[in-house]
Amino acid sequence: GAVVSQHPSRVICKSGTSVKIECRSLDFQATTMFWYRQFPKQSLMLMATSNEGSKATYEQGVEKDKFLINHASLTLSTLTVTSAHPEDSSFYICSARDATANTEAFFGQGTRLTVV
Amino acid sequence: AQSVTQLGSHVSVSEGALVLLRCNYSSSVPPYLFWYVQYPNQGLQLLLKYTSAATLVKGINGFEAEFKKSETSFHLTKPSAHMSDAAEYFCAVSDAQAGTALIFGKGTTLSVSS
Repeated sequence: GAVVSQHPSRVICKSGTSVKIECRSLDFQATTMFWYRQFPKQSLMLMATSNEGSKATYEQGVEKDKFLINHASLTLSTLTVTSAHPEDSSFYICSARDATANTEAFFGQGTRLTVV
Repeated sequence: AQSVTQLGSHVSVSEGALVLLRCNYSSSVPPYLFWYVQYPNQGLQLLLKYTSAATLVKGINGFEAEFKKSETSFHLTKPSAHMSDAAEYFCAVSDAQAGTALIFGKGTTLSVSS
């Protein structure tokens, strides 16, 4: 199946700093990518939908200025957590759907962010 | 709007017993339905998917699910549980459009005892 690579897998940062997470579709073109957040022992909550070459669409309650999303190419989307605080600590997962095959979504391995 | 309800946040079975994880969906358009498995601190692995073809879908690792429109259900089953099946399972729904995100249920933790 198709591969989505997410990097880094784990990151620890100091409060007030920014962290960038990358999501790449390795063998297909992803017109649309999705960013999810998962708290311990909870489900995946959709944060935003990222469209190549345009602004991301954020879900209600997600701060656009805190969670900056860029989708500059058909294979790369980035999520930047700006001015991180301990409450931003979570598991972040990206997903991409193949633009030519409208079925399953492929998921990255996830990024465990810890803000200290 | 679409949504998924997974009945039972925790299911415990003995090794060799039947596994049944329940999922009901709500969708105003014909849905695509998915089951994913997640191991600790890892991403999601697709077990199987329903995309409007056969209603009985067979997936990996011996899992299968049946789409029942009349019951708006997509329950996941496996005839005989293995210890390695212990994990978190998520049911998800989307529509057919490529630009639509999957909406996930709250997940069910499956425990398998020897």
